[in-house]
Amino acid sequence: GIQVEQSPPDLILQEGANSTLRCNFSDSVNNLQWFHQNPWGQLINLFYIPSGTKQNGRLSATTVATERYSLLYISSSQTTDSGVYFCAVERIRGANNLFFGTGTRLTVIP
Amino acid sequence: DAGVIQSPRHEVTEMGQEVTLRCKPISGHNSLFWYRQTMMRGLELLIYFNNNVPIDDSGMPEDRFSAKMPNASFSTLKIQPSEPRDSAVYFCASSPGVRTIRDGDEQYFGPGTRLTVT
Repeated sequence: GIQVEQSPPDLILQEGANSTLRCNFSDSVNNLQWFHQNPWGQLINLFYIPSGTKQNGRLSATTVATERYSLLYISSSQTTDSGVYFCAVERIRGANNLFFGTGTRLTVIP
Repeated sequence: DAGVIQSPRHEVTEMGQEVTLRCKPISGHNSLFWYRQTMMRGLELLIYFNNNVPIDDSGMPEDRFSAKMPNASFSTLKIQPSEPRDSAVYFCASSPGVRTIRDGDEQYFGPGTRLTVT
């Protein structure tokens, strides 16, 4: 399969702080998605970003496919941002399924 | 769109019982995926379908697990007999199914079914 590594594994932030989450992957991909798993366990799509940069409100993401990494930026964090952030990738030459990283657990404290 | 619908949301059963999890993909999507999330193994694929046909079931743990997709709007994942180690959250996901070599295909996840086998 493909290895997907996320860092840091845990992150504690003061409300209002900014953060960067990283995802490294070991093979060429044609799909990369960032998810937020909220405290109720739901997987919320944040970005579909196999390459390039996207922004959605306080969140933005950049994927550099040639260097096999992606970054998720969270600005002005809020307590509702708490949860686990997953990066998942789909290999170019392989099955259609997503391979998930182990996640970054973010806790935002007021 | 209602998104991917899964039922039940929670299931508690005794070891040895049959469990059936259900999924309705997003209308018009051609690919459907079953994933399982556990503390030990994280999120991993069990099986996926393209146009109702099972394509890759290499993630299905053993013969106790089976999945069907009788039509484009419904899929089931069955565990018979269930064991305590099957306790996990089971997610269903769907995608439009327009994947090419160059472009991937965004997947959308249901809310999951939390299964507890005692």
